[in-house]
Amino acid sequence: DADVTQTPRNRITKTGKRIMLECSQTKGHDRMYWYRQDPGLGLRLIYYSFDVKDINKGEISDGYSVSRQAQAKFSLSLESAIPNQTALYFCATSDPGLAGGYTQYFGPGTRLTVL
Amino acid sequence: AQSVTQLGSHVSVSEGALVLLRCNYSSSVPPYLFWYVQYPNQGLQLLLKYTSAATLVKGINGFEAEFKKSETSFHLTKPSAHMSDAAEYFCAVSLTGGGNKLTFGTGTQLKVEL
Repeated sequence: DADVTQTPRNRITKTGKRIMLECSQTKGHDRMYWYRQDPGLGLRLIYYSFDVKDINKGEISDGYSVSRQAQAKFSLSLESAIPNQTALYFCATSDPGLAGGYTQYFGPGTRLTVL
Repeated sequence: AQSVTQLGSHVSVSEGALVLLRCNYSSSVPPYLFWYVQYPNQGLQLLLKYTSAATLVKGINGFEAEFKKSETSFHLTKPSAHMSDAAEYFCAVSLTGGGNKLTFGTGTQLKVEL
């Protein structure tokens, strides 16, 4: 079974609709992240959470919100979707590792299309 | 602030040839450096990471990378390319003590030809 799961895997929605992307992890990690990937731009950080009570904005948080319902669950919401939010969205978790340098583990991604 | 530059958005090599994917970083403090691979329709998978333990880092699938502080580089290499290596590769940096936020490069698409 996958350690980091994302639902849905694909979603097509219309401009103005509210949509939620969900992420669950079984790795027991405290830290979780949401990224979006656009061709030629790499991955950009939307929000991150170091524990249930600690949520922080990333570099491109405008138009997005998040909820950390439990250690294992971190949801990303688009309150009113717009076409330029069409992208591939990834959830990730991290741990400190034995040598330091938190390694991030990624889910399979959600492909979102906003018409 | 940290940043990563990947030179070459597309690299093409012949099967059996050397793979060299370039990554340069900018960081005001000692960095942690990562290479991730993304196969089509999949998430990112860690290839290797540098955490200051050794400058030459070996990863999965025969890849390795060398940290060169004087050149601020962390290039990824593999002696002999396989068709299965075709994927997109991302270099990323995080700062020691920086809460481990990753900053990614824009990616390099590797094509392996017969």
